[in-house]
Amino acid sequence: NAGVTQTPKFQVLKTGQSMTLQCAQDMNHEYMSWYRQDPGMGLRLIHYSVGAGITDQGEVPNGYNVSRSTTEDFPLRLLSAAPSQTSVYFCASSYLRTLENYGYTFGSGTRLTVV
Amino acid sequence: SQQGEEDPQALSIQEGENATMNCSYKTSINNLQWYRQNSGRGLVHLILIRSNEREKHSGRLRVTLDTSKKSSSLLITASRAADTASYFCATDESGGTSYGKLTFGQGTILTVHP
Repeated sequence: NAGVTQTPKFQVLKTGQSMTLQCAQDMNHEYMSWYRQDPGMGLRLIHYSVGAGITDQGEVPNGYNVSRSTTEDFPLRLLSAAPSQTSVYFCASSYLRTLENYGYTFGSGTRLTVV
Repeated sequence: SQQGEEDPQALSIQEGENATMNCSYKTSINNLQWYRQNSGRGLVHLILIRSNEREKHSGRLRVTLDTSKKSSSLLITASRAADTASYFCATDESGGTSYGKLTFGQGTILTVHP
């Protein structure tokens, strides 16, 4: 099925561990992004990419790395997990030209707990 | 900081009533979008209104945009229990390297009682 696939759905990490959250889309979207959602904070942009080989920082990039080697995949790496990174993480993608009336397609999220 | 501020934070209505949610933002935008999030799920795109549009309809949804006041409203008519969800506005900011980035409000929690 077409869409945005995030794995894993749930993860528990110990402080200091590293891990990669996976995001893949099969819609040939140029734009991909990572958001975190915390209670009362809405969604905040971590990193985004407008195409393969191009990434940029969002509002809250510290502690996270990204790369975009292919159009389809946009993994998010936590370098050294901290309790403050406990959150729900969403990947979203879109055609870059949003004037075509396409909204963003979101994955179902990864619920991360850092203990 | 959040671009969109939504009002009210929570709204409780009876089935069949209309629900209105408001969103204010701070900078120039390319477009404004509304999303729905059911509990524990991802966000689903509802409707997009461009900066040169003033009103848009989609089924039971009506969105208005007032760029002079930097505000938007989402009206859901004849609400149903299935409309119970959180609703977020998101702005696509104008210009340069910010193209394509969405900035979300904190959301309105809508509860529709049967």
